[in-house]
Amino acid sequence: EVQLVESGGGLVQPGGSLRLSCAVSGFTFSGYWMHWVRQAPGKGLVWVSRIDSDVSNTNYADSVKGRFTISRDNARNTLFLQMNSLRAEDTAIYYCARQNNYAIDYWGQGTLVTVSS
Amino acid sequence: QSALTQPPSVSGSPGQSVTISCSGTSSDVGSYNRVSWYQQPPGTAPKIMIYEVSYRPSGVPDRFSGSKSGNTASLTISGLQAEDEADYYCSSYTSSSTFVFGTGTKVTVL
Repeated sequence: EVQLVESGGGLVQPGGSLRLSCAVSGFTFSGYWMHWVRQAPGKGLVWVSRIDSDVSNTNYADSVKGRFTISRDNARNTLFLQMNSLRAEDTAIYYCARQNNYAIDYWGQGTLVTVSS
Repeated sequence: QSALTQPPSVSGSPGQSVTISCSGTSSDVGSYNRVSWYQQPPGTAPKIMIYEVSYRPSGVPDRFSGSKSGNTASLTISGLQAEDEADYYCSSYTSSSTFVFGTGTKVTVL
């Protein structure tokens, strides 16, 4: 069974940092591109970042470029999102997601990040 | 990349059909058959319902169908059921290997 389990969310002050993790199981992690997608409270889905299977390429939404870093450890079957210089508008549920061809076929349950003083 | 445009809400009675539109541009929805649809009941993670415009993953009921014409994709739910009440999002895979999502549509079963 494919599983994606996020962790690391919580309450952080503006300007602070947080590192999200996504532990995966049930599939060959190293064979898939992975994404982070976020959803602010009561709002829609917004794509955040992508990393390819061998870590050679990454992409970021303009809103997080220069502040967030996506990475992965294929040996530990884990995806990461390092978030620095956090702002109130980064408050959201962050989902880890697996890409399959041109769609996201599996999503984690999400982890809530709240940026507030 | 701007969000794709969806109607905020649609509704229908049990057994009826509803269609959700997803409007993009020739650079996203119109350029390739890389449109997918996701269902998100309240308080849960999204779930894929349609990929590559019209293909259903295993386990998705055949009352869900997808299509595309020009820069607009559509999701149709035929024979609406109470369990279909949820938010629905379209998405297009871009030439930059990223995803752009729609604004979301709330489906209400009357």
